[in-house]
Order: sequence, then C-alpha cells, then structure tokens
Amino acid sequence: TQLLEQSPQFLSIQEGENLTVYCNSSSVFSSLQWYRQEPGEGPVLLVTVVTGGEVKKLKRLTFQFGDARKDSSLHITAAQPGDTGLYLCAAQGGSEKLVFGKGTKLTVNP
Amino acid sequence: KAGVTQTPRYLIKTRGQQVTLSCSPISGHRSVSWYQQTPGQGLQFLFEYFSETQRNKGNFPGRFSGRQFSNSRSEMNVSTLELGDSALYLCASHPGTGWGNTIYFGEGSWLTVV
Repeated sequence: TQLLEQSPQFLSIQEGENLTVYCNSSSVFSSLQWYRQEPGEGPVLLVTVVTGGEVKKLKRLTFQFGDARKDSSLHITAAQPGDTGLYLCAAQGGSEKLVFGKGTKLTVNP
Repeated sequence: KAGVTQTPRYLIKTRGQQVTLSCSPISGHRSVSWYQQTPGQGLQFLFEYFSETQRNKGNFPGRFSGRQFSNSRSEMNVSTLELGDSALYLCASHPGTGWGNTIYFGEGSWLTVV
C-alpha cells in the first residue's frame, strides 16, 4: 500500500507570508497530483507532476517533484486569504484509484 | 458543461439503518469512483465503476456496496450503519480511459450517523 505523508498537518499564517507544504513517501510514483479542497466542496485538481525534478508554477504556487519521484512540495508565495483550504497530494494507485495524503489545512489570516 | 452532481448533500441516519447515495457524473464520463473522507483517515478509496462494472475496490467491509447504471450514474449503499460511517462521501468522475485525464469531484454527501 502506498502511503503519502503530508506535513505540516495544520498551518496558520498571516497574509503576505510564504509557506511550503510537503508530501513524502517511501514509494516511487509515476506521477503525483495536488488538490485544494475548500469547505463544503470536493477537491479540485491544481497540478499533476510527472518527471523527476519537475517544477510547475501556477501563479503564486510552485510545485516540485523530487528527483527520485518519492516526494513533492508545494510553495505558496505571498499567501492570500483566498488560499485558505485543505491541500491534498495524491498518487495514482492503479487504474483510476487515487491514494491521498491526509492533507495540510492552511489558514491565511488577513 | 455540468459538473458532478451528488445527492443528497446532507443526511442524518440512525445506527443500524441503511443509506443510498447518488452520483451523476459529467456527461460523457464513463468512470465513477467513490471516496470516504473523515478527519482521522482523510480521503480513502471505496470503489470504482466503469461501464457498469466494478473495476477497483478499496479496503472497506461488505456493508459498503455500489453500482453503476447504463447512463453512467452511480449509487453507493451502506447497510447496517455504524457511528464510524459518519463522513463526507465524495464521488469522482473520469472519462474512463487513460490515467492522464483529470478526475473531477462532486461536492459530496455529508452523512451523520447518530
């Protein structure tokens, strides 16, 4: 069973600060996805990383896939209150099955 | 293009009862997956259906079952409800072929067992 460990579990910061959340595993993945889930809604895909060492940017969000394809990070620059939510990493566990980390709950205070 | 629709959004059931949740995938999508989300365990895969056949199954007891209809709509059923079944149940829609396609989640059904 693939296990994805996310850290930190909770993060509360002030608007304008930078932050990084991590997703680690002992398994090698062919790809890894990051989702954001807002209260009362389902997760929404932010990005898929496929190649070891890959870096993808989505406005103020930077996603990196580790060289060994066992870990990933999400960095947010100048966080905004609208970034508040649960950030989940997920890996393909076969067919359309996704294995999720438990998530990082981010709160950005104005 | 309509998104993934789940009904009901909220429901309260008593221990021992059974519940049926419904999911309408995005038009043209043939794969429907179900996930259970709890604060303690996070998101856990229940099962996946493709063209009316169960293609994958997670590690949940037999009380959890599902089915898919010819129009790709899916239902999941939980029998003999336990307090620990209280969770957000999420349905995910996917074209069904090729893992590179995006999976779209519905807003979920909040189940409270009392």
